[in-house]
Amino acid sequence: AQKITQTQPGMFVQEKEAVTLDCTYDTSDPSYGLFWYKQPSSGEMIFLIYQGSYDQQNATEGRYSLNFQKARKSANLVISASQLGDSAMYFCAMRGVNTNAGKSTFGDGTTLTVKP
Amino acid sequence: DTEVTQTPKHLVMGMTNKKSLKCEQHMGHRAMYWYKQKAKKPPELMFVYSYEKLSINESVPSRFSPECPNSSLLNLHLHALQPEDSALYLCASSQVGTGAYYGYTFGSGTRLTVV
Repeated sequence: AQKITQTQPGMFVQEKEAVTLDCTYDTSDPSYGLFWYKQPSSGEMIFLIYQGSYDQQNATEGRYSLNFQKARKSANLVISASQLGDSAMYFCAMRGVNTNAGKSTFGDGTTLTVKP
Repeated sequence: DTEVTQTPKHLVMGMTNKKSLKCEQHMGHRAMYWYKQKAKKPPELMFVYSYEKLSINESVPSRFSPECPNSSLLNLHLHALQPEDSALYLCASSQVGTGAYYGYTFGSGTRLTVV
């Protein structure tokens, strides 16, 4: 079984500042992938970044980086230089090697509000 | 522009109606998914198709009937829905591969209201 925990229901950040969204996970799979998705109020889920459990380096995609600490089972998303358009709900998700056909487990999400 | 197209964007239907949600992708992805999402909640998996075959049904009531006519299309047929089925229905697709993990590409969703 897999579990994702996002402990921050809501977060506020000032425009142009960095923000960290927390994600911890639990799994018995020996190999797994971790994902972050962004969901604006319009509804579409947008894939942001991926981290493999055996990747040696933390993943980065533009202003997004994933702070992966395998021993702590955490995969926090860092957004640098926040923009007003970053206001959205953010979901952490995972998939394991033993998971059937790409089924993902999602956390409850964190709502991020960027203040001007 | 999203690479997964869902139609319609909004749908209002009565409890006795029959309607269908449609999803199309042209990315060559061989896995397609239906998710149901209530407001402020994470998406809940309903069905997974892998290589056009149903591989996961998350004990979804039979009033929801999925169909995958080909590798690019995914339908969700709706019949005799209940008001509690009102939600955002998201279609997604992904590559399939062992030892590697692929993010989903989601469509913009269909906001369904059952009256």
